[in-house]
Amino acid sequence: NAGVTQTPKFRVLKTGQSMTLLCAQDMNHEYMYWYRQDPGMGLRLIHYSVGEGTTAKGEVPDGYNVSRLKKQNFLLGLESAAPSQTSVYFCASSSSPGRGYYEQYFGPGTRLTVT
Amino acid sequence: RKEVEQDPGPFNVPEGATVAFNCTYSNSASQSFFWYRQDCRKEPKLLMSVYSSGNEDGRFTAQLNRASQYISLLIRDSKLSDSATYLCVVIRTSGTYKYIFGTGTRLKVLA
Repeated sequence: NAGVTQTPKFRVLKTGQSMTLLCAQDMNHEYMYWYRQDPGMGLRLIHYSVGEGTTAKGEVPDGYNVSRLKKQNFLLGLESAAPSQTSVYFCASSSSPGRGYYEQYFGPGTRLTVT
Repeated sequence: RKEVEQDPGPFNVPEGATVAFNCTYSNSASQSFFWYRQDCRKEPKLLMSVYSSGNEDGRFTAQLNRASQYISLLIRDSKLSDSATYLCVVIRTSGTYKYIFGTGTRLKVLA
């Protein structure tokens, strides 16, 4: 039982390059989330998904796209990376908050630097 | 003003000390409250939920004051291993469930 895993762990991109971050969970959770964490800003929600095939915008969605083709996977894409996207990216999953299952389980993070 | 605010610290305390953190929230529609712990360069992990009646888990006590809109975390008999950043998390619903994370309070327990 690996929980939530993220690939890659580290990446350096040049401005304008694209990349995809992969998140996988083996807990059969319906909800999945992508956050970014920057010093002094706390965790900010980029996009989230409440089930396979569905996605929704969070607090800071600009410059990112997501897809949830399979229940266990949630992909975050950067089409044209900018230095402002330098951050630590965390994926999380949870069961249904509507049924009282609030705990979010986080992956180990991806440290992205855009030069 | 941020919706969830925490003193960033650091709080430097000796081993064995008692330390308390507060977290204030501004939206009265907030309905659920949690403390997460985040070690340096690691992911956040749930420490404990916070209930209106207050709750305790070993050396950790969490309390909620809805009237003043703050939650607190008390750590007794601090251990070196308690050194971490403690994140306050508030959940409210506005069509969907929104998790609002505080920026965290850093604790250093000194030998």
